[in-house]
Amino acid sequence: QQQVKQSPQSLIVQKGGISIINCAYENTAFDYFPWYQQFPGKGPALLIAIRPDVSEKKEGRFTISFNKSAKQFSLHIMDSQPGDSATYFCAASIRTSGSRLTFGEGTQLTVNP
Amino acid sequence: GAGVSQSPSNKVTEKGKDVELRCDPISGHTALYWYRQSLGQGLEFLIYFQGNSAPDKSGLPSDRFSAERTGGSVSTLTIQRTQQEDSAVYLCASSSSRLAGAYNEQFFGPGTRLTVL
Repeated sequence: QQQVKQSPQSLIVQKGGISIINCAYENTAFDYFPWYQQFPGKGPALLIAIRPDVSEKKEGRFTISFNKSAKQFSLHIMDSQPGDSATYFCAASIRTSGSRLTFGEGTQLTVNP
Repeated sequence: GAGVSQSPSNKVTEKGKDVELRCDPISGHTALYWYRQSLGQGLEFLIYFQGNSAPDKSGLPSDRFSAERTGGSVSTLTIQRTQQEDSAVYLCASSSSRLAGAYNEQFFGPGTRLTVL
């Protein structure tokens, strides 16, 4: 059972544009929602994360929007840059259960110059 | 280097052979995780260690897979009688448990790419 669904699978954006990636989850016990960025040949790296008692979190050009009632959350990348081209994974975890991460399928983002 | 390291970076093996993958976590990190990333797919949880104990091994796909951790540090993932469907990138992550009840960031290694011919 896929507990975290991510879309789109791939995304092409022009430099300066806004990239939006969406995720939906099923397990209401999830209480932590991180986004990871992965470059080819590298392991994923934490980008930004949010807890369900907050509806939005912004760090620089990256913003997470969280809708607890809809069980959805999204990543917005403002002023997208070619250096943002990477694969992005949303994830969810339960802090009291070892914090194992359940990942979405990933979105391959390409930002054209 | 203070990051998570994994070895080997690449491993090619023949179907039916056993393989061992190694993970060196960040010093002092008590929690260690193994994930698998298959081509074109997301990351799949395999096993979680807290110290040398594995309270959650529910993600191991079959009894051909096993893992151990010694001295609260290095971990080895062993796959016996490898099959072609075992081909994937195996990622290790570690985190501290400093903040009880809080989420402690998982730091990932670069992974081991396993190819089973």
